[in-house]
Amino acid sequence: DVKVTQSSRYLVKRTGEKVFLECVQDMDHENMFWYRQDPGLGLRLIYFSYDVKMKEKGDIPEGYSVSREKKERFSLILESASTNQTSMYLCASSPHDRPVYTFGSGTRLTVV
Amino acid sequence: KQEVTQIPAALSVPEGENLVLNCSFTDSAIYNLQWFRQDPGKGLTSLLLIQSSQREQTSGRLNASLDKSSGRSTLYIAASQPGDSATYLCAVRASGTYKYIFGTGTRLKVLA
Repeated sequence: DVKVTQSSRYLVKRTGEKVFLECVQDMDHENMFWYRQDPGLGLRLIYFSYDVKMKEKGDIPEGYSVSREKKERFSLILESASTNQTSMYLCASSPHDRPVYTFGSGTRLTVV
Repeated sequence: KQEVTQIPAALSVPEGENLVLNCSFTDSAIYNLQWFRQDPGKGLTSLLLIQSSQREQTSGRLNASLDKSSGRSTLYIAASQPGDSATYLCAVRASGTYKYIFGTGTRLKVLA
């Protein structure tokens, strides 16, 4: 069964901490995406990557960075967590040649 | 800038009813449109994908239509069941990009 796995379901961090959210896919997909989901705002794209070591800013990249050192892994980094980054974070992947996304189960991050 | 709107935001129906969920988008230059289902606290599952050249797609009790010129898609659910209770999101992908723009979803509750 093909999968996108996010390392944590729930995470609580303190303001100012550096936070790493990990996403791993086993489908050999080229494209990987990080979204955040907030009530009333829907899913908003933070960053995406269409190949190893490649990254592109999405609609709301401020306060975030990403790393894609290997094809299967795409990490989202909050350099200095703030309370307005409390949210549900969703990772997705897709192959270049087919437009279907596979999503992970999400990480609910609370910054206190 | 592409904007995706879903109306209504929430819907409650008795079991067995046929229902229609609506999605509208502002820029008709889309590559495809997907409908997703999201269960509470979970990731998204792709239900149906409609390419820009298609008018509709069917899977079981689900039928999605696309009218690109008017910027609209509908998701028809026949003979609704309590297990259909979830949030349904539509997302459009513009030509020449890998990313999707999501609507804020319709939260459906089917009452037994």
